Amino acid sequence: NAGVTQTPKFQVLKTGQSMTLQCAQDMNHEYMSWYRQDPGMGLRLIHYSVGAGITDQGEVPNGYNVSRSTTEDFPLRLLSAAPSQTSVYFCASRPGDLNYGYTFGSGTRLTVV
Amino acid sequence: AQKITQTQPGMFVQEKEAVTLDCTYDTSDPSYGLFWYKQPSSGEMIFLIYQGSYDQQNATEGRYSLNFQKARKSANLVISASQLGDSAMYFCAMREDRRALTFGSGTRLQVQP
Repeated sequence: NAGVTQTPKFQVLKTGQSMTLQCAQDMNHEYMSWYRQDPGMGLRLIHYSVGAGITDQGEVPNGYNVSRSTTEDFPLRLLSAAPSQTSVYFCASRPGDLNYGYTFGSGTRLTVV
Repeated sequence: AQKITQTQPGMFVQEKEAVTLDCTYDTSDPSYGLFWYKQPSSGEMIFLIYQGSYDQQNATEGRYSLNFQKARKSANLVISASQLGDSAMYFCAMREDRRALTFGSGTRLQVQP
């Protein structure tokens, strides 16, 4: 049981490049979400999904796209990378039962130069 | 207005003593959940404890307990018998209705021998 798997673990991008951060979970969780964590700060919600085919914006959605074509996968796309998107990105999932906490992936450290 | 407020940027505690980390929240939803996560220096997010808004009793998980005062909108984490391995960032988070988590800015706890 792998839990939540994020790839890659580290990435360096040039300004203007695009890329996709991958997130997969094998727990059949309905809810998935993406967060970013800037140095010395808490996590801020980018996008989330309450099930396959359903996504919604979080606190800081600009510059990012998501889709949820399957229950297992929730990729995050950076459309045109900017230095302000340098951050650690976390993907998380939880089952439909509201009493459960989110399980987090190990994070992707992204640097945009 | 901040939905989750953690007013203690840093805390020190002696090994084997108890420590309380403060968290206040703001919501108008009658159904919500409160979570605490630990983030050690390695960076992963570790779920510690959960309290639902309708729960009558304070949640406990081993050495962790959540002091839930609904009228005061506070959800403080109490760690008993602190250990050196408890040194980490601690984040309070809230789930409103079916949405994803909103995090506070965190408290850095240092346990001293």
